[in-house]
Amino acid sequence: DVKVTQSSRYLVKRTGEKVFLECVQDMDHENMFWYRQDPGLGLRLIYFSYDVKMKEKGDIPEGYSVSREKKERFSLILESASTNQTSMYLCASKGLKLFFGSGTQLSVL
Amino acid sequence: TQLLEQSPQFLSIQEGENLTVYCNSSSVFSSLQWYRQEPGEGPVLLVTVVTGGEVKKLKRLTFQFGDARKDSSLHITAAQPGDTGLYLCAGAKDNFNKFYFGSGTKLNVKP
Repeated sequence: DVKVTQSSRYLVKRTGEKVFLECVQDMDHENMFWYRQDPGLGLRLIYFSYDVKMKEKGDIPEGYSVSREKKERFSLILESASTNQTSMYLCASKGLKLFFGSGTQLSVL
Repeated sequence: TQLLEQSPQFLSIQEGENLTVYCNSSSVFSSLQWYRQEPGEGPVLLVTVVTGGEVKKLKRLTFQFGDARKDSSLHITAAQPGDTGLYLCAGAKDNFNKFYFGSGTKLNVKP
Protein backbone atom coordinates (compact mmCIF):
# COMPACT_ATOMS: atom_id res chain seq x y z
CA ASP A 1 0.00 0.00 0.00
CA VAL A 2 1.26 3.48 -0.82
CA LYS A 3 2.27 5.60 2.10
CA VAL A 4 2.91 9.26 2.86
CA THR A 5 4.04 9.61 6.45
CA GLN A 6 4.10 12.86 8.39
CA SER A 7 6.32 12.76 11.44
CA SER A 8 3.91 14.32 13.94
CA ARG A 9 0.12 14.34 14.30
CA TYR A 10 0.11 17.21 16.78
CA LEU A 11 2.69 19.87 17.56
CA VAL A 12 2.62 22.77 19.98
CA LYS A 13 5.26 25.47 19.57
CA ARG A 14 5.95 28.92 20.90
CA THR A 15 6.05 32.11 18.85
CA GLY A 16 9.49 32.66 17.35
CA GLU A 17 10.55 29.01 17.44
CA LYS A 18 11.96 27.31 14.36
CA VAL A 19 9.68 24.43 13.40
CA PHE A 20 10.40 21.46 11.17
CA LEU A 21 7.61 19.36 9.65
CA GLU A 22 8.82 16.16 8.04
CA CYS A 23 7.19 14.10 5.31
CA VAL A 24 8.34 10.80 3.83
CA GLN A 25 6.87 8.91 0.86
CA ASP A 26 7.65 5.35 -0.20
CA MET A 27 6.42 5.52 -3.80
CA ASP A 28 9.53 6.95 -5.50
CA HIS A 29 7.48 9.97 -6.65
CA GLU A 30 9.26 12.99 -8.01
CA ASN A 31 6.58 15.52 -7.07
CA MET A 32 5.85 16.40 -3.47
CA PHE A 33 3.72 19.17 -1.98
CA TRP A 34 3.01 21.02 1.24
CA TYR A 35 -0.46 22.46 1.85
CA ARG A 36 -2.09 24.13 4.79
CA GLN A 37 -5.76 23.60 5.53
CA ASP A 38 -7.87 26.13 7.38
CA PRO A 39 -11.64 26.00 7.98
CA GLY A 40 -13.55 27.64 5.14
CA LEU A 41 -10.42 28.12 3.03
CA GLY A 42 -9.77 24.63 1.72
CA LEU A 43 -6.20 23.59 0.98
CA ARG A 44 -3.69 26.23 0.00
CA LEU A 45 -0.37 25.33 -1.61
CA ILE A 46 2.71 26.51 0.28
CA TYR A 47 5.54 24.93 -1.73
CA PHE A 48 6.11 22.03 -4.03
CA SER A 49 9.13 20.14 -5.28
CA TYR A 50 9.47 18.34 -8.60
CA ASP A 51 12.87 16.77 -7.97
CA VAL A 52 15.61 16.53 -5.39
CA LYS A 53 16.89 19.99 -4.45
CA MET A 54 14.26 21.57 -6.76
CA LYS A 55 11.44 23.63 -5.29
CA GLU A 56 8.83 26.08 -6.40
CA LYS A 57 6.69 28.54 -4.44
CA GLY A 58 3.02 27.92 -4.16
CA ASP A 59 0.33 30.46 -3.36
CA ILE A 60 1.30 31.27 0.24
CA PRO A 61 5.08 30.74 0.70
CA GLU A 62 5.70 33.71 3.02
CA GLY A 63 7.12 32.62 6.36
CA TYR A 64 7.98 29.14 5.10
CA SER A 65 10.89 27.39 3.45
CA VAL A 66 11.40 23.80 2.29
CA SER A 67 14.14 21.26 1.92
CA ARG A 68 14.35 18.23 -0.40
CA GLU A 69 17.74 16.56 0.03
CA LYS A 70 16.48 13.05 -0.77
CA LYS A 71 13.72 12.00 -3.13
CA GLU A 72 11.60 10.40 -0.44
CA ARG A 73 11.73 13.26 2.07
CA PHE A 74 10.25 16.75 1.86
CA SER A 75 10.55 19.05 4.86
CA LEU A 76 8.61 22.22 5.62
CA ILE A 77 10.38 24.80 7.79
CA LEU A 78 8.81 27.65 9.70
CA GLU A 79 11.78 29.92 10.29
CA SER A 80 10.14 31.86 13.12
CA ALA A 81 6.72 30.53 13.99
CA SER A 82 3.87 32.98 14.41
CA THR A 83 0.34 32.52 15.75
CA ASN A 84 -1.16 32.94 12.28
CA GLN A 85 0.68 29.78 11.23
CA THR A 86 -1.51 27.71 13.53
CA SER A 87 -3.10 25.31 11.07
CA MET A 88 -3.37 21.78 9.73
CA TYR A 89 -0.43 21.00 7.46
CA LEU A 90 -0.80 18.33 4.80
CA CYS A 91 1.98 16.75 2.78
CA ALA A 92 1.25 15.02 -0.53
CA SER A 93 3.16 13.19 -3.21
CA LYS A 94 2.04 12.71 -6.77
CA GLY A 95 2.29 9.87 -9.18
CA LEU A 96 -0.80 9.35 -11.29
CA LYS A 97 -2.72 10.98 -8.47
CA LEU A 98 -2.13 12.88 -5.25
CA PHE A 99 -1.56 10.85 -2.10
CA PHE A 100 -1.88 12.74 1.17
CA GLY A 101 -0.43 12.14 4.58
CA SER A 102 -2.66 12.24 7.67
CA GLY A 103 -1.67 15.80 8.49
CA THR A 104 0.08 17.66 11.31
CA GLN A 105 -2.05 19.93 13.47
CA LEU A 106 0.31 22.72 14.51
CA SER A 107 -0.56 25.15 17.29
CA VAL A 108 1.66 28.20 17.76
CA LEU A 109 1.16 29.85 21.16
CA THR B 1 -10.77 34.88 -3.03
CA GLN B 2 -11.15 31.17 -3.83
CA LEU B 3 -10.68 30.14 -7.44
CA LEU B 4 -13.14 27.32 -6.85
CA GLU B 5 -16.32 27.96 -4.87
CA GLN B 6 -18.10 25.03 -3.32
CA SER B 7 -21.70 24.99 -2.16
CA PRO B 8 -23.21 24.32 0.18
CA GLN B 9 -20.58 24.69 2.91
CA PHE B 10 -22.49 22.42 5.28
CA LEU B 11 -25.09 19.76 4.66
CA SER B 12 -26.85 17.65 7.27
CA ILE B 13 -29.29 15.06 5.94
CA GLN B 14 -31.00 11.83 6.91
CA GLU B 15 -29.86 8.45 5.69
CA GLY B 16 -31.53 7.59 2.39
CA GLU B 17 -31.79 11.15 1.08
CA ASN B 18 -30.17 12.37 -2.12
CA LEU B 19 -27.85 15.37 -2.32
CA THR B 20 -25.80 17.41 -4.76
CA VAL B 21 -22.63 19.36 -4.07
CA TYR B 22 -21.47 22.06 -6.49
CA CYS B 23 -18.03 23.30 -7.44
CA ASN B 24 -17.98 26.47 -9.54
CA SER B 25 -15.36 28.74 -11.06
CA SER B 26 -14.96 31.42 -13.68
CA SER B 27 -11.75 29.71 -14.79
CA VAL B 28 -11.27 26.80 -17.17
CA PHE B 29 -9.55 23.70 -15.83
CA SER B 30 -7.73 20.90 -17.63
CA SER B 31 -9.08 18.43 -15.14
CA LEU B 32 -11.07 18.40 -11.95
CA GLN B 33 -10.84 16.05 -9.02
CA TRP B 34 -13.08 15.21 -6.09
CA TYR B 35 -11.71 14.12 -2.72
CA ARG B 36 -13.26 12.94 0.54
CA GLN B 37 -11.54 13.70 3.82
CA GLU B 38 -12.45 12.07 7.12
CA PRO B 39 -11.51 13.60 10.51
CA GLY B 40 -7.86 13.11 11.36
CA GLU B 41 -6.95 11.95 7.87
CA GLY B 42 -5.74 13.46 4.62
CA PRO B 43 -8.01 13.78 1.59
CA VAL B 44 -8.47 10.66 -0.54
CA LEU B 45 -9.09 10.93 -4.27
CA LEU B 46 -12.52 9.77 -5.44
CA VAL B 47 -12.46 10.64 -9.12
CA THR B 48 -10.80 12.70 -11.85
CA VAL B 49 -12.77 14.15 -14.76
CA VAL B 50 -10.98 15.60 -17.78
CA THR B 51 -13.46 16.03 -20.64
CA GLY B 52 -16.14 18.72 -20.78
CA GLY B 53 -19.54 17.11 -20.18
CA GLU B 54 -18.00 13.95 -18.76
CA VAL B 55 -20.04 11.94 -16.28
CA LYS B 56 -18.47 9.33 -14.01
CA LYS B 57 -20.20 7.01 -11.59
CA LEU B 58 -18.73 5.43 -8.51
CA LYS B 59 -21.43 3.24 -6.95
CA ARG B 60 -23.93 5.77 -5.51
CA LEU B 61 -21.79 8.78 -6.41
CA THR B 62 -22.16 10.55 -9.76
CA PHE B 63 -19.65 13.17 -10.86
CA GLN B 64 -20.15 15.60 -13.71
CA PHE B 65 -17.73 18.01 -15.37
CA GLY B 66 -19.37 21.04 -16.97
CA ASP B 67 -19.30 21.41 -20.75
CA ALA B 68 -17.07 24.48 -20.47
CA ARG B 69 -14.81 22.76 -17.89
CA LYS B 70 -15.45 25.51 -15.35
CA ASP B 71 -17.67 23.67 -12.93
CA SER B 72 -18.50 20.26 -11.55
CA SER B 73 -21.06 18.55 -9.40
CA LEU B 74 -21.16 15.53 -7.13
CA HIS B 75 -24.48 13.78 -6.63
CA ILE B 76 -24.97 11.13 -3.95
CA THR B 77 -27.99 8.85 -4.16
CA ALA B 78 -29.45 7.32 -1.01
CA ALA B 79 -26.79 8.74 1.30
CA GLN B 80 -25.44 6.55 4.10
CA PRO B 81 -23.71 7.47 7.37
CA GLY B 82 -20.46 6.18 5.84
CA ASP B 83 -20.65 9.04 3.33
CA THR B 84 -20.08 11.54 6.14
CA GLY B 85 -16.98 13.64 5.60
CA LEU B 86 -15.52 16.73 3.98
CA TYR B 87 -15.81 16.75 0.19
CA LEU B 88 -13.26 18.81 -1.69
CA CYS B 89 -13.02 19.63 -5.36
CA ALA B 90 -9.67 20.52 -6.92
CA GLY B 91 -8.93 21.85 -10.39
CA ALA B 92 -5.71 21.60 -12.36
CA LYS B 93 -4.74 24.07 -15.06
CA ASP B 94 -2.05 23.61 -17.70
CA ASN B 95 0.54 22.73 -15.09
CA PHE B 96 -0.78 19.43 -13.80
CA ASN B 97 1.29 19.81 -10.67
CA LYS B 98 -0.70 22.72 -9.37
CA PHE B 99 -4.15 22.01 -7.97
CA TYR B 100 -6.57 24.68 -6.78
CA PHE B 101 -8.80 23.41 -4.01
CA GLY B 102 -12.30 24.52 -3.13
CA SER B 103 -13.19 25.34 0.47
CA GLY B 104 -15.05 22.07 0.91
CA THR B 105 -18.53 20.80 1.76
CA LYS B 106 -18.97 19.21 5.15
CA LEU B 107 -21.55 16.44 4.86
CA ASN B 108 -23.19 14.77 7.83
CA VAL B 109 -25.50 11.84 7.17
CA LYS B 110 -27.62 10.94 10.19
CA PRO B 111 -28.76 7.35 10.69
